[in-house]
Amino acid sequence: EAQVTQNPRYLITVTGKKLTVTCSQNMNHEYMSWYRQDPGLGLRQIYYSMNVEVTDKGDVPEGYKVSRKEKRNFPLILESPSPNQTSLYFCASSPGGHASTDTQYFGPGTRLTVL
Amino acid sequence: AQTVTQSQPEMSVQEAETVTLSCTYDTSESDYYLFWYKQPPSRQMILVIRQEAYKQQNATENRFSVNFQKAAKSFSLKISDSQLGDAAMYFCAYRHNYGQNFVFGPGTRLSVLP
Repeated sequence: EAQVTQNPRYLITVTGKKLTVTCSQNMNHEYMSWYRQDPGLGLRQIYYSMNVEVTDKGDVPEGYKVSRKEKRNFPLILESPSPNQTSLYFCASSPGGHASTDTQYFGPGTRLTVL
Repeated sequence: AQTVTQSQPEMSVQEAETVTLSCTYDTSESDYYLFWYKQPPSRQMILVIRQEAYKQQNATENRFSVNFQKAAKSFSLKISDSQLGDAAMYFCAYRHNYGQNFVFGPGTRLSVLP
């Protein structure tokens, strides 16, 4: 089944404790993105990647890191989480190539709480 | 920077009726894409409809259609014959023709009344 998977789905942690949220897609997609969703703000893009070893900042990159060493994986790293990073996080992937067929596929979301 | 505005935080519609959700955006670009995504209580993000800015014809997908007014920078979603399963949060989104920088609006929560 074609899908984007994220782990963990739920995470409660404490301020300053490094964490990684994994994202993996099995569709051989070129593009991958991370978003955070907060009430009243919609989804805001954190980082995106247009290919292996190619990443770029979205609108809210502060406090986050990403890497794209393999095409299928795009982990999100919080080196020193803070309470303002409590949010719902989505990973997404899209095929790339011709823009008109470039539909994003979203993962199921990760609910992160930083105490 | 591009911005997307959805001025209706909440809307409700009677089952089988028609409802229109509003979206406006701000950009200096001429070539871009607009999207409507649906997020039901399961939190899954589902693409509803997509519009290419260079196309004058409004996109349609079954009961969902858009009214794209490029000059006014408006992109509203019309849902006809509303069903209980249409109840969800709806997000309008913008993406430039190149790159992967998506901008989402704050969302409109749609309730469908039986």
